[in-house]
Amino acid sequence: DADVTQTPRNRITKTGKRIMLECSQTKGHDRMYWYRQDPGLGLRLIYYSFDVKDINKGEISDGYSVSRQAQAKFSLSLESAIPNQTALYFCATSQTAGTDTQYFGPGTRLTVL
Amino acid sequence: GQQLNQSPQSMFIQEGEDVSMNCTSSSIFNTWLWYKQDPGEGPVLLIALYKAGELTSNGRLTAQFGITRKDSFLNISASIPSDVGIYFCAMGTGGTSYGKLTFGQGTILTVHP
Repeated sequence: DADVTQTPRNRITKTGKRIMLECSQTKGHDRMYWYRQDPGLGLRLIYYSFDVKDINKGEISDGYSVSRQAQAKFSLSLESAIPNQTALYFCATSQTAGTDTQYFGPGTRLTVL
Repeated sequence: GQQLNQSPQSMFIQEGEDVSMNCTSSSIFNTWLWYKQDPGEGPVLLIALYKAGELTSNGRLTAQFGITRKDSFLNISASIPSDVGIYFCAMGTGGTSYGKLTFGQGTILTVHP
């Protein structure tokens, strides 16, 4: 089984709808991250959490919110989706310290019409 | 914010050729990582570099952490069709921010049989 899972894998929604993307991990890592990927722009950090009680904004947090329900779960919400939020979204995890290595989920492809 | 430039943006090569890509930053970093993203998948770590001047190999892949700590390159020797994908460099600052990375824009590699 995959160590980092994301649901759904694909989602098509309409402008103005509230959307939640979920991430679960079995790696036992404290640190979790949400990125979006757009062609030519690489991976940009939306939010990150270094433990259950810690939430931090990343480079592009406007229009997004997150919830760290448990060590293993980190969800990303779009309160009112807009078309320019159409992108590929990735969740990632890393250990507490001593390494920068991140482990990525398979991604969620979101289309906002 | 931190600036990270990755080049080239894309490469079209013949099977068997060698490949080289690089990343440069405007700031000094403690860690350079190289990831590969296969189509429809999340990025997977290829090589991690933690010391200035470090040269590390992983099969046909070789990466180096520049002496100035502001750049890194990745070489792929004798390319094969399964090398196709997007290659990302990423840099980390370490310390209390272990795990928080900044990614390059990616290099799209196409290998013709």
